[in-house]
Amino acid sequence: QSALTQPRSVSGSPGQSVTLSCTGTSTDVGGYDYVSWYQQIPGKAPRLLIFDLTQRPSGVPDRFSGSKSGDTASLTISGLQVEDEADYYCCSYSGIRPFDIFGTGTKVTVL
Amino acid sequence: VQVVESGGGLVKPGGSLRLSCSASGFTSRDYHMTWVRQAPGQGLEFVSTMINGGASFYYAASVGGRFTLSVDDAENSIHLQMNSLRGEDTAMYYCARPVFSNQAGRSGFDVWGQGTMVTVSS
Repeated sequence: QSALTQPRSVSGSPGQSVTLSCTGTSTDVGGYDYVSWYQQIPGKAPRLLIFDLTQRPSGVPDRFSGSKSGDTASLTISGLQVEDEADYYCCSYSGIRPFDIFGTGTKVTVL
Repeated sequence: VQVVESGGGLVKPGGSLRLSCSASGFTSRDYHMTWVRQAPGQGLEFVSTMINGGASFYYAASVGGRFTLSVDDAENSIHLQMNSLRGEDTAMYYCARPVFSNQAGRSGFDVWGQGTMVTVSS
C-alpha cells in the first residue's frame, strides 16, 4: 500500500465539528494504535496534533481528538475555528516496509 | 529542541546531493530519526529512517539503492546521501524526530525542521 486514503476536502462553518477519515489496512491502521495526525499550513512544516491514536502533545487544543474503528482512523475537530483551515495528514506505523505510511491529505476549509 | 536541514539545491538528473539534519537539545542517535519528503503540491512521503541508534537503516522502495542514511555523532547530525537523482525526487525534504526515544513502535513525529528543497532538473 502506497498511501492511506483520506478525503480530498472537508468543510465546515465556525463552531461546527468535522471528522476526517483515514483508511488503511490490517497491516497498518487496523493492526496498530501507532496513528498520528499532522496539520500543515501551506509553506510550513507539519505540526503534530495527535500521536498514539488519541494522545495530544502539550499545546494542542482539546478540540482535536483521535479515534479508530477497524482499519479507519479519524480526527475530529470540535468547535471549528478559522485558524484550523489547513491540510491534515494521518500517518500510521506499518508492519511491513516502509515503516511509516502517510495519508493522501485532507484540505479543511472553514466557510 | 530543534532540527535544521541543509544541503538542498538544484541538481541535474543522475546527479548527487547530501542533505544534513543538525539536531540541538537532544542526541540524534537516541532517536529513530527520519526523513520525510513532499513533492510540490503533493502529500507527505516516508523516505528513510534509522533504528536502534543507527544499527539499522530503512528506505522507501522508491529510493532504496540510491539513498544512504548515516549518523554523525561529532556533529550530532544525520545525513542523507542521495545518488542517481531523478525528476521524481524533486521535493521538500524534512527531517523529523519521533515523540519517544528509541521506541519499538512509531508514535509520531513531534519535531520537524523547516525543510530543504531539492530540485532535480536539466
